[in-house]
Amino acid sequence: LAKTTQPISMDSYEGQEVNITCSHNNIATNDYITWYQQFPSQGPRFIIQGYKTKVTNEVASLFIPADRKSSTLSLPRVSLSDTAVYYCLVGPNTNAGKSTFGDGTTLTVKP
Amino acid sequence: GAVVSQHPSRVICKSGTSVKIECRSLDFQATTMFWYRQFPKKSLMLMATSNEGSKATYEQGVEKDKFLINHASLTLSTLTVTSAHPEDSSFYICSARDGGSGYNEQFFGPGTRLTVL
Repeated sequence: LAKTTQPISMDSYEGQEVNITCSHNNIATNDYITWYQQFPSQGPRFIIQGYKTKVTNEVASLFIPADRKSSTLSLPRVSLSDTAVYYCLVGPNTNAGKSTFGDGTTLTVKP
Repeated sequence: GAVVSQHPSRVICKSGTSVKIECRSLDFQATTMFWYRQFPKKSLMLMATSNEGSKATYEQGVEKDKFLINHASLTLSTLTVTSAHPEDSSFYICSARDGGSGYNEQFFGPGTRLTVL
């Protein structure tokens, strides 16, 4: 399973764009990159998933360079409610494909 | 999106007792479910992969006789913590993949807080 490395913590202010980068140097050919958000005492919540280039949905964008050894989650115009831990997972996109969680990034959004 | 539920949401028990935690996929079928545990301020640690109709696959260092997993149907997996001790106190989270979602991402349950006195 690919190991991921993220910054331990980040601070931002309301209305700013936040970019969180994840390193995954040993990503395998069949691995996808998925980002989750977790609030205290809750299960992780899916944010976005991608394989290469750029993916955008209603809450975030995911940028993946050609070598796929890293990825960047971009959160536009964060609010206080975006304060949470963000996890980058790398693993196969099959039903039985398991992924391991890294340490995650604690994002604190300030007023 | 797909929903995964867990029951109970929190449980307090005495040392030596066994505790069962249920994980259900509410609107999709899951041949595979995953069980994680999470200590305060720490990341999720994968404990085992639960396979419908067959034995679970445990991660290295996880005692299979301590953490019994049963996946009796396509929508239900149970984790039983046997002879629980205070060091088993943790936040237990299950997940399942919905193959019909397009992303095939994992959907996580809300978690179960276990406190062993």
